Amino acid sequence: DIQMTQSPSSLSASVGDRVTITCRASQGISDHLNWYQWKPGKAPKLLIYAASSLQSGVPSRFSGSGSGTDFTLTISSLQPEDFATYYCQQSHNAQYMYSFGRGTKLEIK
Amino acid sequence: QLVQSGGEVKKPGDSLKISCRGYDYSFANYWIGWVRQMPGKGLEWMGIIDPSDSDSRYSPSFLGQVTFSADRSITTAYLQWSSLKASDTAIYYCTRLSPTLRAFDIWGQGTVVTVSS
Repeated sequence: DIQMTQSPSSLSASVGDRVTITCRASQGISDHLNWYQWKPGKAPKLLIYAASSLQSGVPSRFSGSGSGTDFTLTISSLQPEDFATYYCQQSHNAQYMYSFGRGTKLEIK
Repeated sequence: QLVQSGGEVKKPGDSLKISCRGYDYSFANYWIGWVRQMPGKGLEWMGIIDPSDSDSRYSPSFLGQVTFSADRSITTAYLQWSSLKASDTAIYYCTRLSPTLRAFDIWGQGTVVTVSS
């Protein structure tokens, strides 16, 4: 199975800050990496697919990069509504074993 | 959209089947994944089903613990337990796999399952 390691597990930041979250795969996954945002009481929301493609309707302050084993999610200027937990997920495994990272909780400083 | 059935409170040993109904898209053309979120924990991949033929793939952690099924005539996928445990207490999400995006683009609202004696 492909293991996904996210860091940091939590992060404190202020409105307007630029933040970066990283995700590392235990083996190469090409660009088959997606990022989701989760808030309590809500369903996860797709932000970035194929490592760097912005999902329709997602603000442009969100961006993704990477290929192979190392990936990043960047929020260029934090807004109040961005405080949430972020998860990476690989969609590379041929048997549809699409594992998630453990999540990064983004909190207000 | 995907609309899931309501919350459930069950006792250990009970059986349970929760549902996930798809609206406004061609249900049979998109695989449906299931994701668990235990209290205070992260998202866990359970597995996936192809509604067109019910071909299912289970994460090793869930193989033999749950069963996926689907009825494309009523555009509904199901997640089923034959004997619940307290450790099955969680929120369960269904989600649609977009083959174009190779990502899960639509999610159900989640079903809260509580197992307690």
